[in-house]
Amino acid sequence: DGGITQSPKYLFRKEGQNVTLSCEQNLNHDAMYWYRQDPGQGLRLIYYSQIVNDFQKGDIAEGYSVSREKKESFPLTVTSAQKNPTAFYLCASSTRGLATEAFFGQGTRLTVV
Amino acid sequence: QKEVEQDPGPLSVPEGAIVSLNCTYSNSAFQYFMWYRQYSRKGPELLMYTYSSGNKEDGRFTAQVDKSSKYISLFIRDSQPSDSATYLCASASGGYNKLIFGAGTRLAVHP
Repeated sequence: DGGITQSPKYLFRKEGQNVTLSCEQNLNHDAMYWYRQDPGQGLRLIYYSQIVNDFQKGDIAEGYSVSREKKESFPLTVTSAQKNPTAFYLCASSTRGLATEAFFGQGTRLTVV
Repeated sequence: QKEVEQDPGPLSVPEGAIVSLNCTYSNSAFQYFMWYRQYSRKGPELLMYTYSSGNKEDGRFTAQVDKSSKYISLFIRDSQPSDSATYLCASASGGYNKLIFGAGTRLAVHP
């Protein structure tokens, strides 16, 4: 079955640690995106990538880093520089750009303990 | 002012009711309008996609865009308990431009 797989579903991080969230898609989509969702704020764009080996910052990129070495994969690292990392993280992909259609993964809930 | 405003609710209706969910936007350049449904602890799924103004119908769902008033609506007819979810509106100016999401409206349909 085609789709987007995010792992893990739940992740706990200690203060000062970096953690990496995985996002893999087998839809042959060129574009991939990372969003953060907080209660009452909707989805906010962290990073996006339209082709392999290229990515751009979104609205809230500070404290995050990404890589796009393969078309299928777009991992997100939440660094210790992110002051408030507890949130629900969503990965998405699209064939022609996010404006037309976007398929989302099931999300990773990150909690700082 | 947020570019896309959406009342977070919650909205509670009885089964069979007609539900109206609404958003307003401020950017005149927006041409693409989407509605997503998100169940608790799940990723959003695309429900409806509309380009420019007008109506689009898909089964019990109707999406409506009024660009003159910058108003986006989603109507759900004969609502079911399985429609209970958070509904997110989103807009974009087109092409590879990013989506701007509303905060989401939580809907509860009770039997």
